[in-house]
Amino acid sequence: DSGVTQTPKHLITATGQRVTLRCSPRSGDLSVYWYQQSLDQGLQFLIQYYNGEERAKGNILERFSAQQFPDLHSELNLSSLELGDSALYFCASSEMGDSSYEQYFGPGTRLTVT
Amino acid sequence: AQSVTQLGSHVSVSEGALVLLRCNYSSSVPPYLFWYVQYPNQGLQLLLKYTSAATLVKGINGFEAEFKKSETSFHLTKPSAHMSDAAEYFCAVSGGGAQKLVFGQGTRLTINP
Repeated sequence: DSGVTQTPKHLITATGQRVTLRCSPRSGDLSVYWYQQSLDQGLQFLIQYYNGEERAKGNILERFSAQQFPDLHSELNLSSLELGDSALYFCASSEMGDSSYEQYFGPGTRLTVT
Repeated sequence: AQSVTQLGSHVSVSEGALVLLRCNYSSSVPPYLFWYVQYPNQGLQLLLKYTSAATLVKGINGFEAEFKKSETSFHLTKPSAHMSDAAEYFCAVSGGGAQKLVFGQGTRLTINP
């Protein structure tokens, strides 16, 4: 158990819909990262927040957005969903925002768009 | 930009045999390197990391990796495979101003009895 929690575990929704994925980092970790894992793209970095502020952005679509709240939990919002958005979405956290700190991953949310 | 290449999408070894999973990286800045393991239907678990201290890094579950700058490699080894090592293994790089992890495509390790 990494200490990072993600809800829900599974999500099935239809094209065009909007969903919110939630992540609670390990106690004391200030930085949260979101990654997408799919068969064709592998593991791709989406976005990073550090202590409530956006720190880095990766291959995140404009239909996707995220935020980190004062209690440090984070939410990833996916809208106008397409079939290709079906994937495993991981949240990770680290103590600081520096690249030398290891990231601890949650169990993931499996999103299926039908 | 940084990138990782894992040689061999699938590696199969016998129980008790040496495990060698290959990882080559590309980075214009001094890299931080990581190996993660993913068991079916689970998240990623950190096995070990290199952050410019000792070049031979020991991790959990008997795994170790050696950083070789001249070869831009960070191969993962374990002297004796166990059935419980069957999983997907990911090599990742970060460094410089980039806090994100850049992952390789993964290597699925199968252990034969």
